[in-house]
Amino acid sequence: DIQMTQSPSSLSASVGDRATITCRASQTISSYLNWYQQKPGKAPKLLIFTASRLESGVPSRFSGSGSGTDFTLTISSLQPEDFATYYCQQSYTTPRTFGQGTKVEIK
Amino acid sequence: QVQLQQWGAGLLKPSETLSLTCAVYGGSFSGYYWSWIRQPPGKGLEWIGDINQSGSTNYNSSLKSRVTISVDMSKNQFSLKLTSVTAADAAEYYCARETGVGGSMFDYWGQGTLVTVSS
Repeated sequence: DIQMTQSPSSLSASVGDRATITCRASQTISSYLNWYQQKPGKAPKLLIFTASRLESGVPSRFSGSGSGTDFTLTISSLQPEDFATYYCQQSYTTPRTFGQGTKVEIK
Repeated sequence: QVQLQQWGAGLLKPSETLSLTCAVYGGSFSGYYWSWIRQPPGKGLEWIGDINQSGSTNYNSSLKSRVTISVDMSKNQFSLKLTSVTAADAAEYYCARETGVGGSMFDYWGQGTLVTVSS
């Protein structure tokens, strides 16, 4: 199975700050990497697919980059509604696997 | 607008069988894979398996011996059965649509069902 490792596990930031989350795959996954946002008690929500494509309706302050094994999710200016947990997920092969999550908290 | 609505028993005893169903409204059932994903309390996401309209399935090898995913095209529904549950199977269970060409993603999700395992 492909292991997905996110860093950091948590980050504390203020409204307006730039936040960067990284995701590393245990083997190359080309650009088959998705990012999700999850708020407490809710299902995950798709933000970015195939590494850098913004899902319809997702604010442009979210962006993704990377290919191969190393990927990044960037939130250019954190808004109050962005404080949540973020997961990466590879769709290169089955089983689909997720990172362990990064919790973005208010400083 | 696509909606996934799921239901099933939320309290099980050890060794019982978990059974959940997910209905798809507002979109085509064909042309997609339909997945089950679970999340233990306070933990990350684990993909359980998926199925397409033809009944072709993929399972996570960690659960394969206990999992069956089936589809009912006449009702636009798919179901999960997990046998011999233990406390380790306690989790929020989600159904989701998997879409995409040349790289898939889970773009629509059910509301989740919390499954507790207790004697």
